[in-house]
Amino acid sequence: SQQGEEDPQALSIQEGENATMNCSYKTSINNLQWYRQNSGRGLVHLILIRSNEREKHSGRLRVTLDTSKKSSSLLITASRAADTASYFCATGDIQGAQKLVFGQGTRLTINP
Amino acid sequence: SQTIHQWPATLVQPVGSPLSLECTVEGTSNPNLYWYRQAAGRGLQLLFYSVGIGQISSEVPQNLSASRPQDRQFILSSKKLLLSDSGFYLCAWSVYGDNEQFFGPGTRLTVL
Repeated sequence: SQQGEEDPQALSIQEGENATMNCSYKTSINNLQWYRQNSGRGLVHLILIRSNEREKHSGRLRVTLDTSKKSSSLLITASRAADTASYFCATGDIQGAQKLVFGQGTRLTINP
Repeated sequence: SQTIHQWPATLVQPVGSPLSLECTVEGTSNPNLYWYRQAAGRGLQLLFYSVGIGQISSEVPQNLSASRPQDRQFILSSKKLLLSDSGFYLCAWSVYGDNEQFFGPGTRLTVL
């Protein structure tokens, strides 16, 4: 079953603007991850934030996690045309096979 | 460095025909392995995962099966394909005890 729900489903902005995507989930988690998928390709891991962390940065990416609201956000600053892709959040635990549950994704389009 | 291979990249099969998709991982030992299916414009659905040779867990009842004959080889099969089996199939691996997953390039399956 899908746990993560991304919002919005699609986002179109101008190059140079910031893009914010949100993810909500239902159950307790050990960590939350964000992945990127270019059209017709596999997913690429972007960033992982653990349940005891509130914010994490990686280059132009900033992720926040609010476990009380069961939500996370991914901010891409100074967007570029190459950032055009689908972005997925995935919730995971550390038990057994470390399964991930993916959301439906946000399709981000950066207009030059 | 670790790499993951999937083949074929695309496949068109008639209804009722058999299926065999292969995934291999290089550069790591005893990985966790995963098979996902992605419908067009949607998130990923976990089909099977494996924590070791011969150990397969199925997430959803379906027309597919999986096998792990070798440590770094994961095979997705079907005896008779259905129209509903069409989709984008992704293989992924992770290090045991770590949650980050690494994805292959995917196989696009069309059942006619």
